[in-house]
Amino acid sequence: EPEVTQTPSHQVTQMGQEVILRCVPISNHLYFYWYRQILGQKVEFLVSFYNNEISEKSEIFDDQFSVERPDGSNFTLKIRSTKLEDSAMYFCASTAGGSETQYFGPGTRLLVL
Amino acid sequence: AQTVTQSQPEMSVQEAETVTLSCTYDTSESDYYLFWYKQPPSRQMILVIRQEAYKQQNATENRFSVNFQKAAKSFSLKISDSQLGDAAMYFCAYRSFGSGGYQKVTFGTGTKLQVIP
Repeated sequence: EPEVTQTPSHQVTQMGQEVILRCVPISNHLYFYWYRQILGQKVEFLVSFYNNEISEKSEIFDDQFSVERPDGSNFTLKIRSTKLEDSAMYFCASTAGGSETQYFGPGTRLLVL
Repeated sequence: AQTVTQSQPEMSVQEAETVTLSCTYDTSESDYYLFWYKQPPSRQMILVIRQEAYKQQNATENRFSVNFQKAAKSFSLKISDSQLGDAAMYFCAYRSFGSGGYQKVTFGTGTKLQVIP
C-alpha cells in the first residue's frame, strides 16, 4: 500500500540554523500539507499546498517557514532560522483530491538546542 | 472556526473489553468529514475510521465503530474486543467538505488509551 514518507526521522539542530524537512507524498496525490505537534500538545495545521502554491497557512506559518515542491516527488518544509519553540514533531500529509482523506507520514522529530 | 473537543485525556480498558472514546465538535457547516486517528508510541498518525456527515449510517471498520450524532455534534469511537496493540493516543479530527483539497484537518487534544492485560 502506498504511503507518505518523511526524512529524516530525527533532526537535531542549533538555534538559528536552517533546516529542511523532506516528504515524499503518495504518488498520485495533488494536495500536500504540513502539520506540527509540540510534545504533549495537539496536532496543528501549518500549511496546505496545491498546484505549486500555498492554498492556506496558519498564523504559525510565519516568514521563517517556506514550502517547496522542487521536483515531481518531493515536498519540503524549510525553517530559515530555527528557534527553541520550533522543537516539535512535523508531519507531512497528502490527499488525492477534495473529498479524500489526508494520509500522514511518520513524522520528523525536530529538536532545536 | 471549527473546534474539536475531547474531554477524556486518558482512558483505560481491560483487554478484550469494549471502550468508548468521546468527541464533540463545533461547526456551522452542514457537510464535513470526521476522523479518528491513532498515534502509537512511534508517533505516526494512522487513520482508524472516517465518517461523512451526509451519511446517516455510522461507519465501522472491523472492531472500530463510531456513534455519529449530527444534531448533537458528537462523534464517539467504540473499540470492541480491545487488544494490547490498541494502546495509543487517539485523536478526533474534523475536515470541511469543500470542493478543493486544501482543507485543513482540525484535531482534538487527544485521548490516551491504556489497555490492561
